[in-house]
Amino acid sequence: AQKITQTQPGMFVQEKEAVTLDCTYDTSDQSYGLFWYKQPSSGEMIFLIYQGSYDEQNATEGRYSLNFQKARKSANLVISASQLGDSAMYFCAMRGDNTGNQFYFGTGTSLTVIP
Amino acid sequence: GAVVSQHPSWVICKSGTSVKIECRSLDFQATTMFWYRQFPKQSLMLMATSNEGSKATYEQGVEKDKFLINHASLTLSTLTVTSAHPEDSSFYICSASSGARGNQPQHFGDGTRLSIL
Repeated sequence: AQKITQTQPGMFVQEKEAVTLDCTYDTSDQSYGLFWYKQPSSGEMIFLIYQGSYDEQNATEGRYSLNFQKARKSANLVISASQLGDSAMYFCAMRGDNTGNQFYFGTGTSLTVIP
Repeated sequence: GAVVSQHPSWVICKSGTSVKIECRSLDFQATTMFWYRQFPKQSLMLMATSNEGSKATYEQGVEKDKFLINHASLTLSTLTVTSAHPEDSSFYICSASSGARGNQPQHFGDGTRLSIL
């Protein structure tokens, strides 16, 4: 069974500070991908960052980095130097090579950046 | 980057009307498209998986006669909400993937806000 857990319904961060959004997962697949998406209030889903299960280095994309701890089955998103425009819902998702095309999404974390 | 276009963005219509939502992959071929429904402040709920040239696979609890999905080409899938009622009001969002490997993200349309009066 595939499962994604995001335990933080809401988070607040001061502008220019860093914030970590938690994500843990469970899968029986040996090969899988982990993704983070941002969903602003306008509704679109914006792909942020990807981490492969066999990647030895943590993924980074600009101010986004993924703290991947395979043994703990966690894939936390770190946003550095938070900006007001970072306020949004953030979803962690997983896709396994043996589960076809389906993505499994967490329940999301609502991030509010405080000026 | 991969672009998925979803149309319309907003629909307001009377109860009993059928509503068609289009999802197009603009710069890649999407063998599979997904249709999700999202309630306020909740996660995405997968409704169905749409494969080009074949019948859609619906998730448990989703009425296939209510939510008709057609995937006629590698770049277009449509969701038709038949005889819509107020309880069908929701945010519907499609996504597409160019492949089935674990490292390929889904690319999402901008979603459709459906309001049934």
